Amino acid sequence: GQNIDQPTEMTATEGAIVQINCTYQTSGFNGLFWYQQHAGEAPTFLSYNVLDGLEEKGRFSSFLSRSKGYSYLLLKELQMKDSASYLCAVKLDDKIIFGKGTRLHILP
Amino acid sequence: DAGVTQSPTHLIKTRGQQVTLRCSPKSGHDTVSWYQQALGQGPQFIFQYYEEEERQRGNFPDRFSGHQFPNYSSELNVNALLLGDSALYLCASSLNRQNNQPQHFGDGTRLSIL
Repeated sequence: GQNIDQPTEMTATEGAIVQINCTYQTSGFNGLFWYQQHAGEAPTFLSYNVLDGLEEKGRFSSFLSRSKGYSYLLLKELQMKDSASYLCAVKLDDKIIFGKGTRLHILP
Repeated sequence: DAGVTQSPTHLIKTRGQQVTLRCSPKSGHDTVSWYQQALGQGPQFIFQYYEEEERQRGNFPDRFSGHQFPNYSSELNVNALLLGDSALYLCASSLNRQNNQPQHFGDGTRLSIL
């Protein structure tokens, strides 16, 4: 079976840094996506990792270790608008499997 | 450049009825995937269409069926609706050949079963 684990909820303070972890056990791997989803809206693409290492894009960075089946999304200089769910998703051939998402609450 | 569009945005049905949801992919995309997202959960893969054929399928019963048209648009049909089918149904499009490109999601259809 396919299994993707991420924390259900996290809380952080405006201006701080937060790391959202994701571990996966899947039959195959063609890359890992992170999506952001605000309540009632569609998921929007944040990052894609297929090779080990860190990908930095502005305030957001994503890390992948394929040997450990592990990824994290790092959000810096948190803003209130970053309050959302963050979805970790693994690409298998032509199918994408999503985790249940991490709901991030930002406190002023 | 139009993104992924879905219709309707909201729908209310009763148990046992049938429903059809529609999706137009982002311009230039040829692959459409459908997902079911229950409240507080991540999207669950239903199936994917490419070249008018179902290419991949998730763990959903045969009550869930679909179609892709020559213009790449797609429909999701659900028969004999159950209360548990209440969810947000998301359509995502991509270009099949570009495996490193993300799927683009529509805003979804929120289906409520009474």
